[in-house]
Amino acid sequence: EIVMTQSPATLSVSPGERATLSCRASQSVSSSLAWYQQKPGRAPRLLIYGASTRATDIPARFSGSGSGTEFTLTINSLQSEDFAVYYCQQYNNWPPRTFGQGTKVEIK
Amino acid sequence: QVQLQESGPGLVKPSGTLSLTCAVSGDSISNTNWWNWVRQPPGKGLEWIGEIFYSGSTKYNPSLRSRVTISVDKSKNQFSLRLSSVTAADTAVYYCARSSYPDYYFDYWGQGTLVTVSS
Repeated sequence: EIVMTQSPATLSVSPGERATLSCRASQSVSSSLAWYQQKPGRAPRLLIYGASTRATDIPARFSGSGSGTEFTLTINSLQSEDFAVYYCQQYNNWPPRTFGQGTKVEIK
Repeated sequence: QVQLQESGPGLVKPSGTLSLTCAVSGDSISNTNWWNWVRQPPGKGLEWIGEIFYSGSTKYNPSLRSRVTISVDKSKNQFSLRLSSVTAADTAVYYCARSSYPDYYFDYWGQGTLVTVSS
């Protein structure tokens, strides 16, 4: 099983600042990495797939990078609606499909 | 627009069987997609349960395999989850989700349904 580890667990950021979230895989997942945003009481929403491709209707302030075992999600100029929990997920090798434990981006 | 909608009992007794259905609209369940179940215990992260292809081929999380059955009903364009021998640890919001060819990330999700295991 590929273990996905996200850091930090919580990130405190002021509106308008940049947030940088990390995701590490226990073995290479190539570029088969997705990022999801989840707000309280809502289903996860696909943000990024293929490590760096934004999903439909996702603002350009969201960007993803990395390959192999190290990945980053960057949110530039944080807006109020961006405060949420973010999960990474690998889809290179399954079963099982595995998620990171999540990073909560909160208002500083 | 693809939409998924979970339905089923919100309360299940310990040792019983959890049964949920996901109705799909805006896409045919016979297309080259995998149809998934994912769960999230209250206040915790996401756990993949398993998936099914329209042909009936399934893949399950090894941690749940002995208790999980996922099936598909092409005539109703829906798929279902059965989880047996449930305990309080199975209390969670259950989501259905689509992952589509050729890159099998989850592009569409249902809104989720809370299932509580309690006597």
